[in-house]
Amino acid sequence: AQSVAQPEDQVNVAEGNPLTVKCTYSVSGNPYLFWYVQYPNRGLQFLLKYITGDNLVKGSYGFEAEFNKSQTSFHLKKPSALVSDSALYFCAVRPHDYKLSFGAGTTVTVRA
Amino acid sequence: NAGVTQTPKFRILKIGQSMTLQCTQDMNHNYMYWYRQDPGMGLKLIYYSVGAGITDKGEVPNGYNVSRSTTEDFPLRLELAAPSQTSVYFCASSYLPGDTDTQYFGPGTRLTVL
Repeated sequence: AQSVAQPEDQVNVAEGNPLTVKCTYSVSGNPYLFWYVQYPNRGLQFLLKYITGDNLVKGSYGFEAEFNKSQTSFHLKKPSALVSDSALYFCAVRPHDYKLSFGAGTTVTVRA
Repeated sequence: NAGVTQTPKFRILKIGQSMTLQCTQDMNHNYMYWYRQDPGMGLKLIYYSVGAGITDKGEVPNGYNVSRSTTEDFPLRLELAAPSQTSVYFCASSYLPGDTDTQYFGPGTRLTVL
């Protein structure tokens, strides 16, 4: 079975502070991991993915994510958050077929 | 490229009515997907297609049907709408070259069944 957990429904940070959105997965083998962002009334937008190689993956808008196999985690990070980063963030995992399994999402609010 | 387009953006249905949600992509992607998004539940896969003429069920296919007569189009059909189908529906597509895959999402259709 495959599953993705985003343990925090909401994350609130002040602008300029570091932002972390947590994700853990439970998949056999070596999964492909993804982060997507959804702005209000919009579809999901791809941020970054981990397939293989370096554990630190850099993506769009200054985001990065660190793959940790021993902790089965793929946390999303941004060193200095912007108000415009306020959105809904989804972690997703794809084992070895083409079907993504999504987490429940984390709402990020960055206050000015 | 317009990417993935969906129509309509909003729709209100009465119980028992039927409708088709349209999805079109202009990226020549082989793979297409339909998801529904319910609050606090993430996205659930309804149906997917690996190419024209080939479709298969996802996690939550009951109450829906799909067809894939062309590479570009992947309509989702609701035959007898029920309140449980109130949701936001997203269509997505991907090319899947080799072992990398990024899904591109449409803007969504917000459906309410009363």
